[in-house]
Amino acid sequence: GAVVSQHPSWVICKSGTSVKIECRSLDFQATTMFWYRQFPKQSLMLMATSNEGSKATYEQGVEKDKFLINHASLTLSTLTVTSAHPEDSSFYICSARDIGVSGQPQHFGDGTRLSIL
Amino acid sequence: SQQGEEDPQALSIQEGENATMNCSYKTSINNLQWYRQNSGRGLVHLILIRSNEREKHSGRLRVTLDTSKKSSSLLITASRAADTASYFCATFTSGTYKYIFGTGTRLKVLA
Repeated sequence: GAVVSQHPSWVICKSGTSVKIECRSLDFQATTMFWYRQFPKQSLMLMATSNEGSKATYEQGVEKDKFLINHASLTLSTLTVTSAHPEDSSFYICSARDIGVSGQPQHFGDGTRLSIL
Repeated sequence: SQQGEEDPQALSIQEGENATMNCSYKTSINNLQWYRQNSGRGLVHLILIRSNEREKHSGRLRVTLDTSKKSSSLLITASRAADTASYFCATFTSGTYKYIFGTGTRLKVLA
């Protein structure tokens, strides 16, 4: 089945550090990937839609300069949390859709737990 | 903003019982999907139901969709302790090309 790999799975770093999270579709191509943020015991909140070869589309309230998204190929999107602070600590999850299959669900990575000290 | 509201927020049942979760949404959709999330993990797709479908089955799972009421339900029959997880509905609208998640139901199945 379709597999999405997200790396790293856990990051602990100091305040002010920039952190890059990778999302790869392993066995399919994805022109569109999605980045979500999830707080404990809450639902997934869509942060942005990552489009291959073009700028990401950010949801209202999400800082573009804070959360940099790059979708350089059909199998890779990256989310960089710049100058991270404790309030950025959260669970970040990516997903992707297979462009070759219509009407199919998105496939999720296993998430990245980000802890900023 | 989140489109889907789910109830109950939390559900605790005995193994062997059925579990029903409901999802309501606000706008027209192309399809609705149910996902499962184990603690601290990503989401696993369970079922996709299209807007022109009313019911779908997959193993012990049964999903219904009522577009007139903008609601869906997920029924898990003969629940097992391994079904303990959070369950989310997600709606997809081709106009926005986005998936919007519901608030989720935390299911606990007691052995």
